[in-house]
Amino acid sequence: GAGVSQTPSNKVTEKGKYVELRCDPISGHTALYWYRQSLGQGPEFLIYFQGTGAADDSGLPNDRFFAVRPEGSVSTLKIQRTERGDSAVYLCASSLLSSSDEQFFGPGTRLTVL
Amino acid sequence: GEDVEQSLFLSVREGDSSVINCTYTDSSSTYLYWYKQEPGAGLQLLTYIFSNMDMKQDQRLTVLLNKKDKHLSLRIADTQTGDSAIYFCAEVNAGNMLTFGGGTRLMVKP
Repeated sequence: GAGVSQTPSNKVTEKGKYVELRCDPISGHTALYWYRQSLGQGPEFLIYFQGTGAADDSGLPNDRFFAVRPEGSVSTLKIQRTERGDSAVYLCASSLLSSSDEQFFGPGTRLTVL
Repeated sequence: GEDVEQSLFLSVREGDSSVINCTYTDSSSTYLYWYKQEPGAGLQLLTYIFSNMDMKQDQRLTVLLNKKDKHLSLRIADTQTGDSAIYFCAEVNAGNMLTFGGGTRLMVKP
């Protein structure tokens, strides 16, 4: 596709459930990023992939959060035992080669944990 | 530590200039960015400035950087209603990751 796409656009779940959020980066982009944007705040970095490997996962808040990118393209952010505090917009971005290149953002997935 | 701060809200009349301010703390940042976020849309990179520059102009946008005070500003000339959005400044940290401010909501009144 022309840009970064994310699915679903909205996800409502119950506390304690497991969710998966998907990101399709721009074709050919080797770097991929996940950010979390809480209401009224700026995006906060979660994790950065270079190809298939997580080059920097220092932003993941705890071990309930995990992300994969098995083939170096699509990435999935997985959240176990969701909590109400996980409610936010989860943004994905990709860049051509590395973190020195411009990041292009997707529209985000709005996660609501009831 | 890294902290990027912005004022929350700015209201201007159509045709006036808007100035959005930002302060940052990481003096090693090589680039500083301005992003625009409209409802339902992804973050859009508006412009950026390299840390060894004082000013950058791009059509209606002017970025000013004061490294001594760690202050960044974005001026939008002839502001239009289509400029209404949330504007985020961001710095690049030591790991080349973006650290964003909390965003400034710009409201343009006709």
